[in-house]
Amino acid sequence: GENVEQHPSTLSVQEGDSAVIKCTYSDSASNYFPWYKQELGKRPQLIIDIRSNVGEKKDQRIAVTLNKTAKHFSLHITETQPEDSAVYFCAAITQGGSEKLVFGKGMKLTVNP
Amino acid sequence: DSGVTQTPKHLITATGQRVTLRCSPRSGDLSVYWYQQSLDQGLQFLIQYYNGEERAKGNILERFSAQQFPDLHSELNLSSLELGDSALYFCASSTHRQETQYFGPGTRLLVL
Repeated sequence: GENVEQHPSTLSVQEGDSAVIKCTYSDSASNYFPWYKQELGKRPQLIIDIRSNVGEKKDQRIAVTLNKTAKHFSLHITETQPEDSAVYFCAAITQGGSEKLVFGKGMKLTVNP
Repeated sequence: DSGVTQTPKHLITATGQRVTLRCSPRSGDLSVYWYQQSLDQGLQFLIQYYNGEERAKGNILERFSAQQFPDLHSELNLSSLELGDSALYFCASSTHRQETQYFGPGTRLLVL
C-alpha cells in the first residue's frame, strides 16, 4: 500500500524567511496530493492541493510542487508569519484506486517573530 | 468552518466503558472518514463509509465499530475503553470517494 514520508519533523524559521516541507510517496499510481495545516487542538484544514497532471500550484504565499518521476512533492511557504506556526501534514491518494488518504507524520513549523 | 459537525466536543469516561461519537458530514457529502490522533501523533485512518456502506478500513481495533445512517450522519462506537484510547477523534467528509476531505472540529476523548 501507499506510504508517505515527511521531513523534516520540525522546522524553526525567523519571520519573513521561507519554509519548505518535503514529502515522498511510494505508490506511483497516487494522483492527488493535499496539504493540511493543523493548529494546536484544532482540526486539520486543507490549505492547498495538487493533482498529478500539474507540476506546480500557487496560492498567495504558499506553493506546492510535484515531481512524479522522483515521487516527491513539497510545500513552500514564503514570507512566513507567526500565524503560520502549526503542524503541516502532506497526504497522498490514488483516486480511482485505494479509498485511503495516507498522511505523512506531520511537520511542526515554528515561526519566530 | 468546514461544515462538518461532531458531537460531543469533549468526553471524559472511565476504562471499560463504551462511548459513541457522532459526525454530520457537509451537506451533499456522501463519504465519511474517521481518524484517531493521539498526543503528538499523526492522523491514523480508522474507517470510511460511502453512502451507507463501509468502503475502507485502516487500523481500527475490534473494540471499535462505526456505521453511516440513511441521513448520512455517522457514529463511531468505542467499547471496553482503555487508557490508550484517549485521543482526538476526527471525522472528515467528501463529496464522493477519494476526493478532498474536510475535517470536523474533533471529539477529545479522555479515558481515566
